[in-house]
Amino acid sequence: DVKVTQSSRYLVKRTGEKVFLECVQDMDHENMFWYRQDPGLGLRLIYFSYDVKMKEKGDIPEGYSVSREKKERFSLILESASTNQTSMYLCASSSPPTGTGDRYGYTFGSGTRLTVV
Amino acid sequence: DAKTTQPNSMESNEEEPVHLPCNHSTISGTDYIHWYRQLPSQGPEYVIHGLTSNVNNRMASLAIAEDRKSSTLILHRATLRDAAVYYCILRVLPVMNYGGSQGNLIFGKGTKLSVKP
Repeated sequence: DVKVTQSSRYLVKRTGEKVFLECVQDMDHENMFWYRQDPGLGLRLIYFSYDVKMKEKGDIPEGYSVSREKKERFSLILESASTNQTSMYLCASSSPPTGTGDRYGYTFGSGTRLTVV
Repeated sequence: DAKTTQPNSMESNEEEPVHLPCNHSTISGTDYIHWYRQLPSQGPEYVIHGLTSNVNNRMASLAIAEDRKSSTLILHRATLRDAAVYYCILRVLPVMNYGGSQGNLIFGKGTKLSVKP
């Protein structure tokens, strides 16, 4: 069964800490994504990557950075955690649509619920 | 980005069919229609997608209007495990080789489906 694995299900960190959220996929997907999900706001895209060492900002990149050193791993970094970054973080991967069609959907991980105190 | 409109919530009885509507009047010719669902405390899960023709898989059927301005996700026999938020999303098919934000999924608020025993 194909999988996207997020390293932690629940995480509690202190304000000002540097936080790493790890995501690994075993499907050889080119694209990987980080979303956060908050009540009333839905899923919002933070960063994505369409190749190793490539990254692009999503809709809400402020306060975050990412790293993609290997194809299967995409890390989200909170440089200095703040309480407004308390949220559910979801990682996803997919193969990209191409000029000849869109054959694949996204596969999501189970999420990491981060609480910053 | 092309937008979708879904009802905020719907109710169904167990073992009855469910028709979840989605309006996407500004859809363009290269947009694929994707459906995802999110069960409580889990990441979104791919359900089905299509371009012009109706599609069936083991989870659901997707009926696409002839003018493509609306679509309906059909669950043939709802079970209690189908209670979830269902998202209808348009995925842009890039004209050129993939790169950048083309093809990213933008999630709306979705439809919360409740299933009564």
